Amino acid sequence: GENVEQHPSTLSVQEGDSAVIKCTYSDSASNYFPWYKQELGKGPQLIIDIRSNVGEKKDQRIAVTLNKTAKHFSLHITETQPEDSAVYFCAATSSGGSYIPTFGRGTSLIVHP
Amino acid sequence: DTGVSQNPRHKITKRGQNVTFRCDPISEHNRLYWYRQTLGQGPEFLTYFQNEAQLEKSRLLSDRFSAERPKGSFSTLEIQRTEQGDSAMYLCASSFKTGRSDTQYFGPGTRLTVL
Repeated sequence: GENVEQHPSTLSVQEGDSAVIKCTYSDSASNYFPWYKQELGKGPQLIIDIRSNVGEKKDQRIAVTLNKTAKHFSLHITETQPEDSAVYFCAATSSGGSYIPTFGRGTSLIVHP
Repeated sequence: DTGVSQNPRHKITKRGQNVTFRCDPISEHNRLYWYRQTLGQGPEFLTYFQNEAQLEKSRLLSDRFSAERPKGSFSTLEIQRTEQGDSAMYLCASSFKTGRSDTQYFGPGTRLTVL
């Protein structure tokens, strides 16, 4: 089955700095990669996603890049703000049937004001 | 609010008791997923429904767990004879599956504590 590794487990930055979270996956059939933000006591919220037919996608301060050859994808947050503090999860999904995502273990992002 | 809702938000029970959780998906979403999440981990897939049909179950879903989605709308997850190891956040997600798209939207979760 799919295996998703996520790094780092904790990331501490100053407000205004950029933050980068990296994930690798093992199944070359995976073709959909969502990123979720989870705040304390809440369910994960989709913040951005990318499909395997594109290499990069941006949405305001958030961008995701995908390298299919190396089987890794990254989340980039620019101009971080204290409200960006949360746990971020990457996931990989294969279109080979059930579309069940495999999640990484999460990155706790702390943005210091 | 048109998002995914889950009830109750918190449940404390004694070992050996049965518990039931409810999930109301986004209206007209045809797929509904259940996940379990423990501290420091990402969500782990338990089972999913397409309309009222339960199409897949994880090996994590022991015989003590059962899920239903009787009319293809809301779903229930029941855990019988709870064990302390069942303590976790139980998340529900829904999606509208079309072609290659299956973006899932999560509810707030039900936190289960088994004493």
